[in-house]
Amino acid sequence: GQSLEQPSEVTAVEGAIVQINCTYQTSGFYGLSWYQQHDGGAPTFLSYNALDGLEETGRFSSFLSRSDSYGYLLLQELQMKDSASYFCAVRDRGRNSGGYQKVTFGTGTKLQVIP
Amino acid sequence: DTEVTQTPKHLVMGMTNKKSLKCEQHMGHRAMYWYKQKAKKPPELMFVYSYEKLSINESVPSRFSPECPNSSLLNLHLHALQPEDSALYLCASSQEGQNYEQYFGPGTRLTVT
Repeated sequence: GQSLEQPSEVTAVEGAIVQINCTYQTSGFYGLSWYQQHDGGAPTFLSYNALDGLEETGRFSSFLSRSDSYGYLLLQELQMKDSASYFCAVRDRGRNSGGYQKVTFGTGTKLQVIP
Repeated sequence: DTEVTQTPKHLVMGMTNKKSLKCEQHMGHRAMYWYKQKAKKPPELMFVYSYEKLSINESVPSRFSPECPNSSLLNLHLHALQPEDSALYLCASSQEGQNYEQYFGPGTRLTVT
């Protein structure tokens, strides 16, 4: 079957660096996305990795290792506004989707940035 | 325009009511999605439309009925809902074939009494 695991909560200090891990188990894997969602808000796309390696977008970077079925989101120079939930989302060949590449969200990591 | 809009923002309905949720995007996206999100949980996919045709129904009960009148609009018709259907309903869109990068609307907070 399919599974996605993320830590439920992470706390980090303003200005520091934090890494949010995501491990997945799936068949027909295509790639891993990351989304940010503030309380009461909508998910916002952050990044997508289809190949192994690191993708950098400003203060945020995302890494993927397909052989280890593992990825992470790295947030640098943390700011208070980064306090939010972060979801990894796996894109795979869904079981009952007739070949459609399906996206499934992980359980989410609530990041709290403290002064 | 990179915005997905949803109406209404909040909806309270009784179990015998019929209501509709609306979603609109003007980004030229040909894939549109409905998700249900409970508090402190991830979004759960309900339906996917591709080029205005339903391509995925995640075994959603028939009391939820989606409709895609044109490439910019997506509706979700609600009828005879249960209290456990209370949740945030999110609409999203993406380029066809790029479902890894979805743009979400602000959602409709639904309460079923």
